[in-house]
Amino acid sequence: TQLLEQSPQFLSIQEGENLTVYCNSSSVFSSLQWYRQEPGEGPVLLVTVVTGGEVKKLKRLTFQFGDARKDSSLHITAAQPGDTGLYLCAGLLNSGNTPLVFGKGTRLSVIA
Amino acid sequence: DAGITQSPRHKVTETGTPVTLRCHQTENHRYMYWYRQDPGHGLRLIHYSYGVKDTDKGEVSDGYSVSRSKTEDFLLTLESATSSQTSVYFCAISEPPGWQNTGELFFGEGSRLTVL
Repeated sequence: TQLLEQSPQFLSIQEGENLTVYCNSSSVFSSLQWYRQEPGEGPVLLVTVVTGGEVKKLKRLTFQFGDARKDSSLHITAAQPGDTGLYLCAGLLNSGNTPLVFGKGTRLSVIA
Repeated sequence: DAGITQSPRHKVTETGTPVTLRCHQTENHRYMYWYRQDPGHGLRLIHYSYGVKDTDKGEVSDGYSVSRSKTEDFLLTLESATSSQTSVYFCAISEPPGWQNTGELFFGEGSRLTVL
């Protein structure tokens, strides 16, 4: 059973479109992180959210942590080809004594 | 960027041979991790270390062993490689999660292993 479910798995959109990626769980997380991975490289941290209901913005990317700290979303406005990559969410369970739990990722392709 | 170096970056080997992957960090982070990444499975934790000589299993530890004799080095060994261990392996480091740290991971660039 996957503790963190990401959707969609694949997303192919045209440049300029908006999109949202979801990360859902039945478990409560003390924090949740989003990473982006480009081909041939390791994942790189984009943002960490720690407070229920928290919203963080990183240029055209908006991250939200659910009020109950069980889910998160990543919204990209006016996607660009440079946004292409694998987006991974990862959560730290409330106990904090176990390693991060990763979702399987959303592979985004933005076509010019 | 965090100073993490993985070696080798690419390796092709035959079934039944031993393989060791090395992760070296210059950040003095206490925690180190080995993940494998496969299509359809995402990142899966193999083993991790929370200090010198302190290690624990992840979700896919069968067929793998690890050692950490120094803070900066974390070795992943496949005693007898199998084709199912063909994958891209990532090392990561972090500080211990706690009230001042949410356990963000810094990843190496990966080691691509092919077992024929």
